[in-house]
Amino acid sequence: GQQVMQIPQYQHVQEGEDFTTYCNSSTTLSNIQWYKQRPGGHPVFLIQLVKSGEVKKQKRLTFQFGEAKKNSSLHITATQTTDVGTYFCAGGLPDSWGKLQFGAGTQVVVTP
Amino acid sequence: NAGVMQNPRHLVRRRGQEARLRCSPMKGHSHVYWYRQLPEEGLKFMVYLQKENIIDESGMPKERFSAEFPKEGPSILRIQQVVRGDSAAYFCASSPGTRNTEAFFGQGTRLTVV
Repeated sequence: GQQVMQIPQYQHVQEGEDFTTYCNSSTTLSNIQWYKQRPGGHPVFLIQLVKSGEVKKQKRLTFQFGEAKKNSSLHITATQTTDVGTYFCAGGLPDSWGKLQFGAGTQVVVTP
Repeated sequence: NAGVMQNPRHLVRRRGQEARLRCSPMKGHSHVYWYRQLPEEGLKFMVYLQKENIIDESGMPKERFSAEFPKEGPSILRIQQVVRGDSAAYFCASSPGTRNTEAFFGQGTRLTVV
């Protein structure tokens, strides 16, 4: 079946450093969404990418959607302690309105 | 505009009992999704419902689990004869149902089976 894989599963980052998390789908997606979940919290929507090759920025966060619409990345620059949490990508399936296939998430730990 | 409301936030059940989890979508949203999250794991899709219809239940276990979204009232996820392995956080999300729209999540129900 269709799967969305995310790597790495864990990311330990020194405050101030950059890191990237990657998302790969076995099939072409209609869109990719990114969510952040703080420890003990619920997923909160960050952004959605729809077009092939699309790049969007939110302050220190840069999101990219691959040309084939099968992969995506989230790059965070100058990591801060407020970036702690788990980042999920979620792929929208072309043949299923609204259904999202979530990756397992990248758990980010920031050390001061 | 209230967000997605889930209750209860925490639920403790003994093995063999029934668990009922409720989800009221955001105002104007007619599509509801249920996800399960085991500790330290990602979100697993369970079921996708519109009012009075189950659209996709491919992630629902075949036995003991059922979901509904009646014309009036919240969506209900029902787990019969709970077992320890059902302990997890259950999140509900809603959307207006148009293509390429975000899902808004509730705060989840954390089910513990003792």
